[in-house]
Amino acid sequence: DAGITQSPRHKVTETGTPVTLRCHQTENHRYMYWYRQDPGHGLRLIHYSYGVKDTDKGEVSDGYSVSRSKTEDFLLTLESATSSQTSVYFCAISPPAGGALFFGEGSRLTVL
Amino acid sequence: TQLLEQSPQFLSIQEGENLTVYCNSSSVFSSLQWYRQEPGEGPVLLVTVVTGGEVKKLKRLTFQFGDARKDSSLHITAAQPGDTGLYLCAGIYGGSQGNLIFGKGTKLSVKP
Repeated sequence: DAGITQSPRHKVTETGTPVTLRCHQTENHRYMYWYRQDPGHGLRLIHYSYGVKDTDKGEVSDGYSVSRSKTEDFLLTLESATSSQTSVYFCAISPPAGGALFFGEGSRLTVL
Repeated sequence: TQLLEQSPQFLSIQEGENLTVYCNSSSVFSSLQWYRQEPGEGPVLLVTVVTGGEVKKLKRLTFQFGDARKDSSLHITAAQPGDTGLYLCAGIYGGSQGNLIFGKGTKLSVKP
């Protein structure tokens, strides 16, 4: 299994509070991604990174920011959480372009 | 906006039956991937197809990439309860790893 861990695995928070999800990999892969998965919408890309300090927006990036200060860590931040951001968040990694994605086990976030 | 349409959305069958899941788009993909996801876990890659007309087999699973690289199918022969899960197709268009999109998935239930 690909060495990828997400933390926290579960979090309940209140509207308006900041939240940071962490993704850590031990594979030294260049590409890292954050997806959210919601019923009826499938997996949607939030942001991705193609190297340290190199990030780009995905399909549903509004309300989210990311940072990648070192190869192994990719952080997803919700500056002010809203109920619409209640979801399961998956981090994924992949080797150079065209490679398959290896997913973490997900982080379930509930915003009350 | 690029879209991947999966059908059917839900499928409930008896053990031993055959089934086919479809993934269609109006866009040409440079490659297409199939994943399987079990409840509470991240998706796991089953196969990647790259060449138009390509057929790949994984035990009782047969994957086909359309000649025009706009569609793909997954056929399961003699389904077993262990095949139960969410099947997702994902396509890369434009050759860029950031341009990977997922279909909404097919939820398969195989009853003993």
